[in-house]
Amino acid sequence: GNSVTQMEGPVTLSEEAFLTINCTYTATGYPSLFWYVQYPGEGLQLLLKATKADDKGSNKGFEATYRKETTSFHLEKGSVQVSDSAVYFCALNSGGSNYKLTFGKGTLLTVNP
Amino acid sequence: GAVVSQHPSRVICKSGTSVKIECRSLDFQATTMFWYRQFPKQSLMLMATSNEGSKATYEQGVEKDKFLINHASLTLSTLTVTSAHPEDSSFYICSARDPRIGELFFGEGSRLTVL
Repeated sequence: GNSVTQMEGPVTLSEEAFLTINCTYTATGYPSLFWYVQYPGEGLQLLLKATKADDKGSNKGFEATYRKETTSFHLEKGSVQVSDSAVYFCALNSGGSNYKLTFGKGTLLTVNP
Repeated sequence: GAVVSQHPSRVICKSGTSVKIECRSLDFQATTMFWYRQFPKQSLMLMATSNEGSKATYEQGVEKDKFLINHASLTLSTLTVTSAHPEDSSFYICSARDPRIGELFFGEGSRLTVL
């Protein structure tokens, strides 16, 4: 079956530090990959996505590249801000019309000023 | 602003009672909604797929008589936890798919505590 493994947190960084949150997956077929972010007190929001191998998703300074050879979709940002503090979830959708997602456990990021 | 809204955000109930959680899509009509359950420091686990006008599709291991799902309109799905017990205490999250753009939007979640 499908599964997503992401690095356990919490991750604590200083403002302007470089961020990497690792995510690897196991899936049948050709999944689409996603990063969702959950800010305190809010619902999950789509941060970025990639639908095929070598695609790079990007948004708000975050990037992730779909690496089929390593089954990875690591999230990176060159310079984090305090406002990036949130829980980040890696997820995949193995296709089909019902859009079911398989999530990782989430990684709590805290950015200190 | 939020495009999917859940209510209530927090609920405390006594063991043996039933609790209903609502999930509404505010800006679009959703033929498909999803219900998840999240334990502390764990992933979101898909419980069921809610289809407007038909029966919900439950994931393996989820008791359909325990977690009743009703998707009576294109903007509302409800999850009823029947005869709740302390082990049902959890964070329940819904999502709805906007068919115009194919994107999923999530509610803020509902924290259920069963005493």
